[in-house]
Amino acid sequence: GQNIDQPTEMTATEGAIVQINCTYQTSGFNGLFWYQQHAGEAPTFLSYNVLDGLEEKGRFSSFLSRSKGYSYLLLKELQMKDSASYLCAAMDSNYQLIWGAGTKLIIKP
Amino acid sequence: IAGITQAPTSQILAAGRRMTLRCTQDMRHNAMYWYRQDLGLGLRLIHYSNTAGTTGKGEVPDGYSVSRANTDDFPLTLASAVPSQTSVYFCASSDNRGANTGELFFGEGSRLTVL
Repeated sequence: GQNIDQPTEMTATEGAIVQINCTYQTSGFNGLFWYQQHAGEAPTFLSYNVLDGLEEKGRFSSFLSRSKGYSYLLLKELQMKDSASYLCAAMDSNYQLIWGAGTKLIIKP
Repeated sequence: IAGITQAPTSQILAAGRRMTLRCTQDMRHNAMYWYRQDLGLGLRLIHYSNTAGTTGKGEVPDGYSVSRANTDDFPLTLASAVPSQTSVYFCASSDNRGANTGELFFGEGSRLTVL
């Protein structure tokens, strides 16, 4: 079956760095997405990886290893506004997204 | 402001009633989707449409129907609501053509409670 695993909750300190891991098993693979979702709001797009390696976008970076079925989202210089859920989603061979349950990130001062 | 509009934002519904959630986008995206989001679970696809005039079933289609008469509108209908359909419903769109990544743009969600 198809499956996405990511931690349920993580806590980090303002100004620090946090890495949110995601492992996936899909029928075929057409890319890995990360979305941010603040409580009570819609998910918003953060990153897309289809090739192995690191993609950097400001304070956020996303990494992909297709051979390991593994991705991570790296958040640097954490701010209180980064408190949110982070959703990992893999696109399968039919171009459908398989979603993880999300990682709730709590930022403490 | 360009984007996706969902209505209603919130609704309480008696079991057995019919309900239509509306979704409109003005980005001319070819693909549209309906997801439900429940606590502890990932977003689950209910129905999708790759282009106007076509629709497809997602992971959890039972009890729901959709139509795509034009590019902009993608309503979701619950023919006879049941309590297990209590959820937050998100409509989304994407442009899968050419070099686009297929990034999804989401509406603000419709919170539905079935009693």
